[in-house]
Amino acid sequence: EDKVVQSPLSLVVHEGDTVTLNCSYEVTNFRSLLWYKQEKKAPTFLFMLTSSGIEKKSGRLSSILDKKELSSILNITATQTGDSAIYLCAANLILTGGGNKLTFGTGTQLKVEL
Amino acid sequence: DTEVTQTPKHLVMGMTNKKSLKCEQHMGHRAMYWYKQKAKKPPELMFVYSYEKLSINESVPSRFSPECPNSSLLNLHLHALQPEDSALYLCASSQAYPGQDLWSSGNTIYFGEGSWLTVV
Repeated sequence: EDKVVQSPLSLVVHEGDTVTLNCSYEVTNFRSLLWYKQEKKAPTFLFMLTSSGIEKKSGRLSSILDKKELSSILNITATQTGDSAIYLCAANLILTGGGNKLTFGTGTQLKVEL
Repeated sequence: DTEVTQTPKHLVMGMTNKKSLKCEQHMGHRAMYWYKQKAKKPPELMFVYSYEKLSINESVPSRFSPECPNSSLLNLHLHALQPEDSALYLCASSQAYPGQDLWSSGNTIYFGEGSWLTVV
């Protein structure tokens, strides 16, 4: 059975801290891994990573996939209260008929305090 | 325009009611999805449509009935639901070249804002 596991489940930090969120996956027909941010509504897309190992960056956020360890990390530097959210990672499987299936991890709830 | 629009945003229905959730996208995507998300849980895939044909049904009870009238629209018909079906229902879309994944198509999966469903 396909499995995506995230850690920690929750995290409380102070503004300005750097955080690292972890995601590991055991998925057949794996093609890519996606990170989303969710704040009481629909998930918003952050990054898509493949086994190429190329790091993705966007402002204070960065992420990379380790294909040997079947894992990925999401780093957030200089955290702000607006970063408070649930961060979801999802393994993407290709469907032969077209389209994709995302299998989500349980998420990491991040709270950034002043 | 990278928008997936869902209506209604909130819906309260009785267990004997029939209602529908609607989803629309104008990005030319040919794959559309329904996900269900219970409180404090990650989204779970329910259905996948590819080129207006149902390609995946993740063993969803028949009281949920999806419909894809055309390439831009996706409906979820609800009938005789149970209180435990109360959840956030998310619609999503992506490119859908058969045999080709998101990375190759240079695209990603876009989610709508969701429809909050409460069954009483």
